[in-house]
Formats: sequence, C-alpha cells, structure tokens
Amino acid sequence: GAVVSQHPSWVICKSGTSVKIECRSLDFQATTMFWYRQFPKQSLMLMATSNEGSKATYEQGVEKDKFLINHASLTLSTLTVTSAHPEDSSFYICSAVLVPDRTTYEQYFGPGTRLTVT
Amino acid sequence: AQSVTQLDSQVPVFEEAPVELRCNYSSSVSVYLFWYVQYPNQGLQLLLKYLSGSTLVKGINGFEAEFNKSQTSFHLRKPSVHISDTAEYFCAVSLSNTGKLIFGQGTTLQVKP
Repeated sequence: GAVVSQHPSWVICKSGTSVKIECRSLDFQATTMFWYRQFPKQSLMLMATSNEGSKATYEQGVEKDKFLINHASLTLSTLTVTSAHPEDSSFYICSAVLVPDRTTYEQYFGPGTRLTVT
Repeated sequence: AQSVTQLDSQVPVFEEAPVELRCNYSSSVSVYLFWYVQYPNQGLQLLLKYLSGSTLVKGINGFEAEFNKSQTSFHLRKPSVHISDTAEYFCAVSLSNTGKLIFGQGTTLQVKP
C-alpha cells in the first residue's frame, strides 16, 4: 500500500517551453503533497507544500509563478515548470501524506521525474 | 530553526562489515526522525522512523537506529552490509506541527567486495 507514482519519469524539453509533472497517490487519499527538487549528488530541497483544494505554499526563494502547483483532487497534484530554462534541469520528486495519518505526517515518495531542458 | 547534519558525506566499507551512518539534528520543538534510502535515479524509500517510545528502532533490510535525545542524534547502523546496500542515505526530521521534512545532506554508502 501507500504507492505514489509520477509521470513522466523523464522528460526533455526545449528552453522556453512548459512542462507538467503529475504526482498521484494510487491507493490512498492525500490531503497534502510535497514537491522537492534534487540536484546531482545533493539532498532534497523542499519547493512547496500542496494542499487539496487550496493554494500551494512555497518555500522561500521558490518562484511561484514559475513553478505552478495544482492539487485538484485527493489523489493528484501537478507541478508545471513554465518557460523552462537549462538551470531548471533537475530531478523533481513528490511525496504524499496519508489522510488519516495527520499525527505523524509520514510521507510516501514518488519515483521522481528527471527534467532536462535543452 | 531546525536542521539536520549528516556527519559523513561518504562511507566506504567492505562487504559483511558493520556500518554506522551518523545523523545529528537541532530543533526547539518535537520532531519525528526518519532514515530514507535512495538508489540511483529513484525516489526515496523509508528505512525506519522514530515517533516515540523505544529509542531503538528497527527497520527494513536489517537496519536499525537509536534515538539519543541528550546528544540529539539518530545514527543508523547495520551489523553486516551487502553490496546491494550501496546507495545514498538521508536522515530527515519532520516537524510535528507542519509535516515538513528537513533532510540532511546525505551519506553515500559504498560497499566494496
């Protein structure tokens, strides 16, 4: 149980285009999903917290107009990288919190999406 | 502010030897503690977690960790490692009031034959 999927697993796009990454909780409902960014050989950096039915909360330094997050249902959150540039190339990972598990907020991670902007 | 420090960026070890990956944290509020493993080009897999109760926590793949409140540490141990344990290991703290995870810098465990 508690499986999280991401689509696509990898994507190559041209500079200036937009890319949408989906994060789905397959067998549970998630009121909260988190989006992380990971550069090679580095740790995960939290980008934003996505709550179902409300606006995402972005971490300091993350451009909310560039990284659009939509959490339209209890099983789906999307991250859209708008007007992508080479410096946006990274590994993007999402995680989901099980609805009944509000006490521990244990996160279940997706497999990640490798974005390369050329 | 909360922070997590993994004291070793790389830990080389021979197969079947014991290993300890060190993690220290700082926080002024209650936290939950986690260890995750990441294999190349994959997401994170939970190894174990400390929420409350017994300070010795056992996880998957033979790993265990001990929560030491006085030393604010949560070191990960395995008595005998395998080649397949070669991966990146992340220690993380979760703020009990927000659910956010703060990760350490990661430790690369390199198991040699």
